[in-house]
Amino acid sequence: GAVVSQHPSWVICKSGTSVKIECRSLDFQATTMFWYRQFPKQSLMLMATSNEGSKATYEQGVEKDKFLINHASLTLSTLTVTSAHPEDSSFYICSAGLPDILNQPQHFGDGTRLSIL
Amino acid sequence: DAKTTQPTSMDCAEGRAANLPCNHSTISGNEYVYWYRQIHSQGPQYIIHGLKNNETNEMASLIITEDRKSSTLILPHATLRDTAVYYCIVRSIYNQGGKLIFGQGTELSVKP
Repeated sequence: GAVVSQHPSWVICKSGTSVKIECRSLDFQATTMFWYRQFPKQSLMLMATSNEGSKATYEQGVEKDKFLINHASLTLSTLTVTSAHPEDSSFYICSAGLPDILNQPQHFGDGTRLSIL
Repeated sequence: DAKTTQPTSMDCAEGRAANLPCNHSTISGNEYVYWYRQIHSQGPQYIIHGLKNNETNEMASLIITEDRKSSTLILPHATLRDTAVYYCIVRSIYNQGGKLIFGQGTELSVKP
């Protein structure tokens, strides 16, 4: 089945640091990937849609200059949290699905827990 | 995509069937019902999806009412490892490439 891998699984860094999170589709090509954020005791919130070869589409209220998304290949999307602050501490999750096949499920990575000190 | 309503939490005895309900009264004809679950500190896991017919796979069964306004996810023999938050999501076949909008889900606790 479709496998999505995220790296790193856990990162702790100082305030002001930029952090890059990778999302890879391991056994399929994904023209579109999705980035979610989840705070403790809350549901997943969609942040943005990552489109291979073009600009990402951000959900309302998500700062595109804060959360940089790059989808340079059909198997890799990256999310960079720039100048991270403690309020950016969260669980970040990506998903991807088989392209151009309607109604196939999205598959999720195992998430990246980001802690900003 | 149509909105869904689920109970906040449920308990189930180990070995018994877990029946998780979902209301989606505003669902339209081109919208599927998807179920995912999220075990603590992991990414969501796909379980099953359907349009109007009942569906079954190795993980669960999905029962959709004839009017499609509600559905039930059935875990036939719940184990402690099935303790998770279960999300019912309605998604249009014309949805922009597959993004999913998560509600609050049902926190299922399977007890020994």
